[in-house]
Amino acid sequence: DIQMTQSPSSLSASVGDRVTITCRASQSISSYLNWYQQKPGKAPKLLIYAASSLQSGVPSRFSGSGSGTDFTLTISSLQPEDFATYYCQQSYSTPPFFGQGTKLEIK
Amino acid sequence: QVQLVQSGAEVKKPGASVKVSCKASGYTFTSYGISWVRQAPGQGLEWMGWISAYNGNTNYAQKLQGRVTMTTDTSTSTAYMELRSLRSDDTAVYYCARDSTFGGVIGFDYWGQGTLVTVSS
Repeated sequence: DIQMTQSPSSLSASVGDRVTITCRASQSISSYLNWYQQKPGKAPKLLIYAASSLQSGVPSRFSGSGSGTDFTLTISSLQPEDFATYYCQQSYSTPPFFGQGTKLEIK
Repeated sequence: QVQLVQSGAEVKKPGASVKVSCKASGYTFTSYGISWVRQAPGQGLEWMGWISAYNGNTNYAQKLQGRVTMTTDTSTSTAYMELRSLRSDDTAVYYCARDSTFGGVIGFDYWGQGTLVTVSS
């Protein structure tokens, strides 16, 4: 099974900050990497698929990069509605494990 | 618009079974798969398995093999997840999600609202 490790586990930032979250796979997954946002009490929402493609309707301040084993999610200018938990997920092989999550909190 | 609407919260005793439904609308049900993902209180996301709505093929997480069954009813565009021999650590919110393929990469693009299953004596 391919394990996914995110860092950091939690992060404090201010509105307007640029934020980067990292996800590392235990083996190469090419670009088979998705990012999700989850707010408390809500279902996850797909933000980025195939490592760098923005899902329809997602603001352009979100971007993804990487391939192989190392990936990043960047939010260029944090907005109040971006404070949430973010998960990466590999879809290279079954089971499509998620990372443990990164909780983004207001500083 | 695409919607996945799940059944309501359940409280079960240890050893019992639970069956959660997920009714799809707004798209051709048999053109997509459905995955089930659960989230224990305060924890991360755990993929449970997948079912093809086209032919009923399934793929379950190893740790749930033998306890979980996923089915679909194409006449009502509804997916079901049954979990048996419930334990306290099965207490979680259970989500269904639509599998979509984006240039060969599968992502979960629509999700149900979640169903809380509480296992308690």
